[in-house]
Amino acid sequence: QVQLVQSGAEVKKPGASVKVSCKASGYSFTSYHLHWVRQAPGQGLEWMGWINTGNENTKYSQKFQGRVTITRDTSASTAYMELSSLRSEDTAVYYCARSHSGTYNFWGQGTLVTVSS
Amino acid sequence: QLMLTQSPSASASLGASVKLTCTLSSGHSSYAIAWHQQQPEKGPRYLMRLNSDGSHSKGDGIPDRFSGSSSGAERYLTISSLQSEDEGDYYCQTWVTGAHVVFGGGTKLTVL
Repeated sequence: QVQLVQSGAEVKKPGASVKVSCKASGYSFTSYHLHWVRQAPGQGLEWMGWINTGNENTKYSQKFQGRVTITRDTSASTAYMELSSLRSEDTAVYYCARSHSGTYNFWGQGTLVTVSS
Repeated sequence: QLMLTQSPSASASLGASVKLTCTLSSGHSSYAIAWHQQQPEKGPRYLMRLNSDGSHSKGDGIPDRFSGSSSGAERYLTISSLQSEDEGDYYCQTWVTGAHVVFGGGTKLTVL
């Protein structure tokens, strides 16, 4: 069955970077784009960007352009989201999601990133 | 600009039906959307893709109690025979192919 398993919770200081992983299994990794979505405490879902796992092309939300980098390792069937210059407002749960014709039909379990001095 | 608008809250009684609405911004009434459910303290779960003609395809294991329909720029999610586990937040989502993704603000559903 399709599974997206994310790395564990992180605590970072303001100004640092965080890198979250998303390991895919149960399907052909390079056949579907992977997206990253975040959710701040008590808030809604916010799209960050995606990666074409086949050719490594990426697209980022303008809000995060310059601070976010999404990569993938096909040998490990894993995608990564790195967010730099962290501030307290980046405290959120970060999700990866598999895209199929625009919809997210599978989600990772989420990774809590806490930014605190 | 592509946007999705949802009412912040909705409520209905156990065993009743509820219809949640997601409205596409002007000029985007032909867009398909997806509905996602988020139960308290859990991650999102894909419910269905809903096209502009009302046709929809549900995710694996989604009960028949969940259905979708469309009218113009409005996209609906109807949940019948409400159960306590249906309580949570419901998000609609759409996309521009090859570009960006947009979420609605979410509707918090309370089952009375």
